Amino acid sequence: SQQGEEDPQALSIQEGENATMNCSYKTSINNLQWYRQNSGRGLVHLILIRSNEREKHSGRLRVTLDTSKKSSSLLITASRAADTASYFCATDWYSGGGADGLTFGKGTHLIIQP
Amino acid sequence: EPEVTQTPSHQVTQMGQEVILRCVPISNHLYFYWYRQILGQKVEFLVSFYNNEISEKSEIFDDQFSVERPDGSNFTLKIRSTKLEDSAMYFCASSASEGQPQHFGDGTRLSIL
Repeated sequence: SQQGEEDPQALSIQEGENATMNCSYKTSINNLQWYRQNSGRGLVHLILIRSNEREKHSGRLRVTLDTSKKSSSLLITASRAADTASYFCATDWYSGGGADGLTFGKGTHLIIQP
Repeated sequence: EPEVTQTPSHQVTQMGQEVILRCVPISNHLYFYWYRQILGQKVEFLVSFYNNEISEKSEIFDDQFSVERPDGSNFTLKIRSTKLEDSAMYFCASSASEGQPQHFGDGTRLSIL
């Protein structure tokens, strides 16, 4: 299994602070993706980082990838109340044989206190 | 922005009945996926579909499950004889190509009674 596992499981911070979530996985990957899920809704794609990349930015999001440690982190800067959601990492092992399913972690539930 | 749409949003079915969940992927995407999320648990991969055939499937995707792309826009998941443990949120996703972001619909909540 190439499961991603996030930590912490839950994180509560004040609005304006930065939030950092971590993800670990077990096997070689092609890419790692971060998703957000608001309660009762679908998964929203945030950012994809490939195995040959070390860092990627998108707006207030910063993702790092350390393939030697099989870990990734998601940093949300200047958090807002609207960032309250569950955040998941998902790994993609490229098989070269077509469409590859993602393996998701359990997620970090982020609460931004106003 | 293009999005994946799923219908119905909520389906209630008696155990043993057949159910079909429907999805309209993003129009220029070529790769299609089904996932499920049992309440409080991880999102789990079920099956992927490309070029009119199953590309990959998980252990969960047993003989009671099937997928179909009946026309140029729809992608369906059929569960032949539902069980109580099939109760979950079912998500459809699509991607433009291999290794590209997968875009998810809002899901169908399936409740088996």
